[in-house]
Amino acid sequence: GDSVTQMEGPVTLSEEAFLTINCTYTATGYPSLFWYVQYPGEGLQLLLKATKADDKGSNKGFEATYRKETTSFHLEKGSVQVSDSAVYFCALPAYSGAGSYQLTFGKGTKLSVIP
Amino acid sequence: EAQVTQNPRYLITVTGKKLTVTCSQNMNHEYMSWYRQDPGLGLRQIYYSMNVEVTDKGDVPEGYKVSRKEKRNFPLILESPSPNQTSLYFCASSLPAGTGLFFGQGTRLTVV
Repeated sequence: GDSVTQMEGPVTLSEEAFLTINCTYTATGYPSLFWYVQYPGEGLQLLLKATKADDKGSNKGFEATYRKETTSFHLEKGSVQVSDSAVYFCALPAYSGAGSYQLTFGKGTKLSVIP
Repeated sequence: EAQVTQNPRYLITVTGKKLTVTCSQNMNHEYMSWYRQDPGLGLRQIYYSMNVEVTDKGDVPEGYKVSRKEKRNFPLILESPSPNQTSLYFCASSLPAGTGLFFGQGTRLTVV
């Protein structure tokens, strides 16, 4: 079935460092792809999304490009801040019969940014 | 403000005592879903609902029930909770498939 694989971390970076969190997917067709962020003690929030190949999603300085050649959707940020410390999830919708679907998540990558 | 509201946020209960976690959304979304989040296992879908009176099992439905009598509400029912249901639970909703989910703040359940 459709799935995503992301680096599990944890990842620890100094403030202003460059961030990459890898995500690859297996899917039939070309589904939308998502990155979610979960700050400590909170629910998941949609960070960015891309709906078709070569699309670039961006938000809050984060970017991810939908690359069908490498089936990847890596999350990047040029200069992280302490406030970016959170768990990041890559996700895609997995469709099954009778029109049903669920959002399938990677295991999550915990990012800690130190001053 | 568009939101998904879960209650309670925290709950400690004893084995076998029936409980309900409520979920309500104010965005007129058709699709609603329940997930549980466990260390090392990530997020797993429990049940989902495509619309009113339409519900179906996700990946880990055992021990849970849901109902969808109104579009805005999607309660999660544990008829006889067990310690292996100790987890962090999230309700989520969306427009029809593929548009991304809005999540509630989560309910941390402990069954002793």
